[in-house]
Amino acid sequence: QLQLQESGPGLVKPSETLSLTCTVSGGSISSRSYYWGWIRQPPGKGLEWIGSIHHSGSTHYNPSLESRVTISVDASKNQFSLKLSSVTAADTAVYYCARQAYPYYYDSSGPHYFDYWGQGTLVTVSS
Amino acid sequence: QVVLTQSPSASASLGASVKLTCTLSSGHSSYAIAWHQQQPEKGPRYLMKLNSDGSHSKGDGIPDRFSGSSSGAERYLTISSLQSEDEADYYCQTWGAGIVVFGGGTKLTVL
Repeated sequence: QLQLQESGPGLVKPSETLSLTCTVSGGSISSRSYYWGWIRQPPGKGLEWIGSIHHSGSTHYNPSLESRVTISVDASKNQFSLKLSSVTAADTAVYYCARQAYPYYYDSSGPHYFDYWGQGTLVTVSS
Repeated sequence: QVVLTQSPSASASLGASVKLTCTLSSGHSSYAIAWHQQQPEKGPRYLMKLNSDGSHSKGDGIPDRFSGSSSGAERYLTISSLQSEDEADYYCQTWGAGIVVFGGGTKLTVL
């Protein structure tokens, strides 16, 4: 059974960089058929896609966050990571990592739906 | 860019059925979507991928009580024989040209 686990600091100061890692177990991050994504959920609000990465290094980002986001992958550790720079209180949220289907054989434009999710980790931005 | 619209809330009685709706914005009626369930204080769980023709493929372990259907720009999630654990937020999600979009979610209350 595939499992994803987020890890990283639960508290980040304003203007600093938020860094999280997602560790994948029960499956390989190097599969051609999947992207790996980050999604966040501010307290009491809905889900917001942040960005996704393929093991090849191909990335797609939410245009509203693109200038502050970097997603990277470490296949040797079966992990992928998120960096969000210049954070403010508005970035306080539960951050989820998830696997994303990528049926490249008929649509290579980008990733599709999330089919496995991590449990999430709360990151608070505060001084 | 595609927009997904969901009603903020819905309610139905224990043992009854409920149909939740996700509406695709104009010009995007051919898009497939996915439905996700988020129970209180938990992470989301993938329910199914739903195509424009109503065909759908469910995630691992999703009960037969959950089904999907489509009509034009509308995508539906029907839950039959409602149980207390079905009280949750339900999100639709779509994708295209490298962009991923979520609907605002529907909070389902089981009476």
